[in-house]
Amino acid sequence: KAGVTQTPRYLIKTRGQQVTLSCSPISGHRSVSWYQQTPGQGLQFLFEYFSETQRNKGNFPGRFSGRQFSNSRSEMNVSTLELGDSALYLCASSLSGASNQPQHFGDGTRLSIL
Amino acid sequence: GDSVTQMEGPVTLSEEAFLTINCTYTATGYPSLFWYVQYPGEGLQLLLKATKADDKGSNKGFEATYRKETTSFHLEKGSVQVSDSAVYFCALSRGGTSYGKLTFGQGTILTVHP
Repeated sequence: KAGVTQTPRYLIKTRGQQVTLSCSPISGHRSVSWYQQTPGQGLQFLFEYFSETQRNKGNFPGRFSGRQFSNSRSEMNVSTLELGDSALYLCASSLSGASNQPQHFGDGTRLSIL
Repeated sequence: GDSVTQMEGPVTLSEEAFLTINCTYTATGYPSLFWYVQYPGEGLQLLLKATKADDKGSNKGFEATYRKETTSFHLEKGSVQVSDSAVYFCALSRGGTSYGKLTFGQGTILTVHP
Protein backbone atom coordinates (compact mmCIF):
# COMPACT_ATOMS: atom_id res chain seq x y z
CA LYS A 1 0.00 0.00 0.00
CA ALA A 2 1.52 3.30 -1.05
CA GLY A 3 2.15 5.82 1.71
CA VAL A 4 1.46 9.54 1.78
CA THR A 5 3.16 11.28 -1.12
CA GLN A 6 4.18 14.91 -1.03
CA THR A 7 5.50 16.89 -3.97
CA PRO A 8 7.81 18.56 -4.50
CA ARG A 9 10.38 17.53 -1.91
CA TYR A 10 12.26 20.81 -2.08
CA LEU A 11 11.30 24.32 -3.10
CA ILE A 12 13.21 27.57 -3.17
CA LYS A 13 11.23 30.80 -3.46
CA THR A 14 11.79 34.49 -2.86
CA ARG A 15 9.86 36.83 -0.61
CA GLY A 16 6.54 37.96 -2.00
CA GLN A 17 6.03 34.93 -4.23
CA GLN A 18 3.39 32.30 -3.71
CA VAL A 19 3.75 28.52 -3.59
CA THR A 20 1.54 25.44 -3.89
CA LEU A 21 2.36 22.15 -2.21
CA SER A 22 0.67 18.87 -3.05
CA CYS A 23 -0.27 15.85 -0.96
CA SER A 24 -1.68 12.48 -2.03
CA PRO A 25 -3.06 10.53 0.96
CA ILE A 26 -3.06 6.79 1.50
CA SER A 27 -5.73 5.15 -0.61
CA GLY A 28 -9.02 5.11 1.31
CA HIS A 29 -8.01 7.88 3.68
CA ARG A 30 -10.34 10.84 3.49
CA SER A 31 -8.86 13.15 6.12
CA VAL A 32 -5.78 15.20 5.29
CA SER A 33 -3.98 17.41 7.80
CA TRP A 34 -1.13 19.83 7.23
CA TYR A 35 1.63 20.82 9.66
CA GLN A 36 4.51 23.27 9.68
CA GLN A 37 7.76 22.16 11.30
CA THR A 38 10.43 24.70 12.27
CA PRO A 39 13.35 24.51 14.72
CA GLY A 40 11.93 27.36 16.78
CA GLN A 41 8.22 26.54 16.91
CA GLY A 42 8.31 22.79 16.43
CA LEU A 43 5.34 21.06 14.81
CA GLN A 44 2.27 23.24 14.41
CA PHE A 45 -1.11 22.30 12.98
CA LEU A 46 -2.22 24.29 9.96
CA PHE A 47 -5.58 22.80 8.91
CA GLU A 48 -7.53 19.63 8.19
CA TYR A 49 -9.74 18.69 5.26
CA PHE A 50 -12.35 15.97 4.91
CA SER A 51 -14.66 15.45 1.93
CA GLU A 52 -13.40 18.67 0.35
CA THR A 53 -14.32 20.71 3.45
CA GLN A 54 -12.02 22.40 5.90
CA ARG A 55 -13.15 21.21 9.32
CA ASN A 56 -10.40 22.53 11.52
CA LYS A 57 -7.86 25.31 11.35
CA GLY A 58 -4.80 26.26 13.37
CA ASN A 59 -3.57 29.68 14.29
CA PHE A 60 -1.95 30.81 11.04
CA PRO A 61 -2.57 33.92 8.96
CA GLY A 62 -4.90 33.90 5.98
CA ARG A 63 -1.90 33.70 3.62
CA PHE A 64 -1.98 29.98 4.36
CA SER A 65 -4.82 28.22 2.61
CA GLY A 66 -5.66 24.81 1.33
CA ARG A 67 -8.15 22.72 -0.52
CA GLN A 68 -9.07 19.11 -1.05
CA PHE A 69 -10.26 17.43 -4.20
CA SER A 70 -12.88 14.74 -4.66
CA ASN A 71 -10.17 12.04 -4.77
CA SER A 72 -8.95 13.26 -1.32
CA ARG A 73 -5.74 14.73 -2.70
CA SER A 74 -4.95 18.04 -1.08
CA GLU A 75 -3.01 21.16 -1.88
CA MET A 76 -1.69 23.87 0.37
CA ASN A 77 -1.01 27.39 -0.82
CA VAL A 78 1.06 30.11 0.79
CA SER A 79 0.82 33.59 -0.70
CA THR A 80 3.09 36.60 -0.24
CA LEU A 81 5.89 34.47 1.15
CA GLU A 82 7.91 35.75 4.09
CA LEU A 83 11.32 34.66 5.32
CA GLY A 84 9.65 33.12 8.37
CA ASP A 85 7.71 30.72 6.15
CA SER A 86 10.88 28.71 5.60
CA ALA A 87 10.02 25.32 7.07
CA LEU A 88 9.31 21.69 6.48
CA TYR A 89 5.64 21.28 5.57
CA LEU A 90 4.20 17.89 6.44
CA CYS A 91 1.01 16.34 5.25
CA ALA A 92 -0.70 13.50 7.10
CA SER A 93 -3.70 11.36 6.31
CA SER A 94 -6.10 9.20 8.30
CA LEU A 95 -9.32 7.37 7.59
CA SER A 96 -11.68 10.02 8.95
CA GLY A 97 -9.74 12.38 11.22
CA ALA A 98 -11.17 10.90 14.41
CA SER A 99 -9.02 11.43 17.47
CA ASN A 100 -8.26 7.74 18.02
CA GLN A 101 -6.96 7.19 14.50
CA PRO A 102 -3.23 7.52 13.92
CA GLN A 103 -2.11 9.92 11.24
CA HIS A 104 0.31 8.75 8.59
CA PHE A 105 2.85 11.30 7.44
CA GLY A 106 4.58 12.01 4.17
CA ASP A 107 8.25 12.94 3.98
CA GLY A 108 7.42 16.62 3.66
CA THR A 109 8.21 19.53 1.39
CA ARG A 110 11.21 21.60 2.44
CA LEU A 111 10.43 25.24 1.58
CA SER A 112 13.25 27.76 1.65
CA ILE A 113 12.60 31.48 1.24
CA LEU A 114 15.43 33.68 0.02
CA GLY B 1 -5.52 24.94 25.49
CA ASP B 2 -3.99 21.55 24.86
CA SER B 3 -0.28 21.11 25.41
CA VAL B 4 2.36 18.38 25.55
CA THR B 5 5.62 18.66 27.45
CA GLN B 6 8.56 16.35 26.79
CA MET B 7 11.76 16.01 28.75
CA GLU B 8 14.59 18.21 27.62
CA GLY B 9 17.08 16.65 25.26
CA PRO B 10 19.29 15.68 23.76
CA VAL B 11 19.57 12.24 25.30
CA THR B 12 22.77 10.31 24.70
CA LEU B 13 23.00 6.61 25.57
CA SER B 14 25.25 3.66 24.97
CA GLU B 15 23.92 0.69 23.04
CA GLU B 16 21.83 -1.70 25.20
CA ALA B 17 21.09 1.00 27.80
CA PHE B 18 17.58 1.58 29.17
CA LEU B 19 15.64 4.47 27.68
CA THR B 20 12.99 6.68 29.24
CA ILE B 21 11.61 9.81 27.60
CA ASN B 22 9.11 11.61 29.80
CA CYS B 23 5.92 13.08 28.37
CA THR B 24 3.12 14.87 30.20
CA TYR B 25 0.04 16.48 28.74
CA THR B 26 -2.70 18.98 29.43
CA ALA B 27 -6.03 18.52 27.69
CA THR B 28 -9.73 18.51 28.41
CA GLY B 29 -11.64 15.30 28.11
CA TYR B 30 -10.00 12.03 27.17
CA PRO B 31 -7.39 12.52 24.45
CA SER B 32 -5.68 9.80 22.49
CA LEU B 33 -1.89 9.73 22.92
CA PHE B 34 0.81 8.90 20.42
CA TRP B 35 4.55 8.59 20.06
CA TYR B 36 6.07 9.39 16.68
CA VAL B 37 9.67 9.05 15.53
CA GLN B 38 11.43 11.13 12.90
CA TYR B 39 14.63 10.06 11.16
CA PRO B 40 16.81 12.61 9.35
CA GLY B 41 15.26 13.84 6.12
CA GLU B 42 12.02 11.97 6.67
CA GLY B 43 8.53 12.57 7.91
CA LEU B 44 7.09 11.23 11.14
CA GLN B 45 6.44 7.54 11.67
CA LEU B 46 3.91 6.30 14.17
CA LEU B 47 5.69 4.35 16.90
CA LEU B 48 2.78 3.50 19.21
CA LYS B 49 -0.53 4.77 20.49
CA ALA B 50 -2.98 4.50 23.38
CA THR B 51 -6.55 5.68 23.22
CA LYS B 52 -7.81 5.33 26.80
CA ALA B 53 -6.57 5.36 30.36
CA ASP B 54 -4.33 2.44 31.40
CA ASP B 55 -3.85 1.34 27.79
CA LYS B 56 -0.31 0.26 27.00
CA GLY B 57 0.99 0.88 23.51
CA SER B 58 3.95 -1.15 22.31
CA ASN B 59 5.96 -1.59 19.12
CA LYS B 60 9.54 -2.63 18.23
CA GLY B 61 10.46 -2.98 21.92
CA PHE B 62 9.14 0.47 22.84
CA GLU B 63 6.32 0.81 25.37
CA ALA B 64 4.23 3.60 26.87
CA THR B 65 1.29 3.50 29.29
CA TYR B 66 -1.52 6.06 29.33
CA ARG B 67 -1.66 7.32 32.94
CA LYS B 68 -4.61 9.62 33.40
CA GLU B 69 -3.97 10.22 37.11
CA THR B 70 -0.54 11.69 36.33
CA THR B 71 -1.43 12.89 32.80
CA SER B 72 1.64 11.12 31.49
CA PHE B 73 2.67 8.87 28.60
CA HIS B 74 6.35 8.09 29.15
CA LEU B 75 8.24 6.20 26.44
CA GLU B 76 10.49 3.30 27.51
CA LYS B 77 12.72 0.74 25.87
CA GLY B 78 14.74 -1.85 27.70
CA SER B 79 17.75 -2.00 25.39
CA VAL B 80 18.38 0.67 22.77
CA GLN B 81 20.25 0.17 19.51
CA VAL B 82 22.26 2.57 17.37
CA SER B 83 19.43 2.41 14.84
CA ASP B 84 17.08 3.99 17.43
CA SER B 85 18.92 7.30 17.08
CA ALA B 86 16.23 9.76 15.95
CA VAL B 87 13.92 12.50 17.20
CA TYR B 88 10.94 11.32 19.26
CA PHE B 89 7.68 13.26 19.52
CA CYS B 90 4.86 12.77 21.99
CA ALA B 91 1.47 13.94 20.71
CA LEU B 92 -2.18 14.08 21.69
CA SER B 93 -5.39 14.16 19.72
CA ARG B 94 -8.60 15.35 21.29
CA GLY B 95 -12.08 14.46 20.12
CA GLY B 96 -15.05 16.71 19.55
CA THR B 97 -14.51 19.33 16.86
CA SER B 98 -10.72 19.03 16.99
CA TYR B 99 -10.69 17.00 13.79
CA GLY B 100 -7.38 15.86 12.43
CA LYS B 101 -5.32 17.91 14.85
CA LEU B 102 -2.30 16.52 16.66
CA THR B 103 -0.69 18.64 19.36
CA PHE B 104 3.00 17.80 19.64
CA GLY B 105 5.67 18.10 22.27
CA GLN B 106 8.91 19.82 21.31
CA GLY B 107 10.67 16.58 20.45
CA THR B 108 13.55 14.75 22.12
CA ILE B 109 16.73 13.99 20.20
CA LEU B 110 18.11 10.54 21.03
CA THR B 111 21.65 9.54 20.09
CA VAL B 112 22.81 5.98 20.76
CA HIS B 113 26.55 5.21 20.61
CA PRO B 114 27.98 1.73 19.92
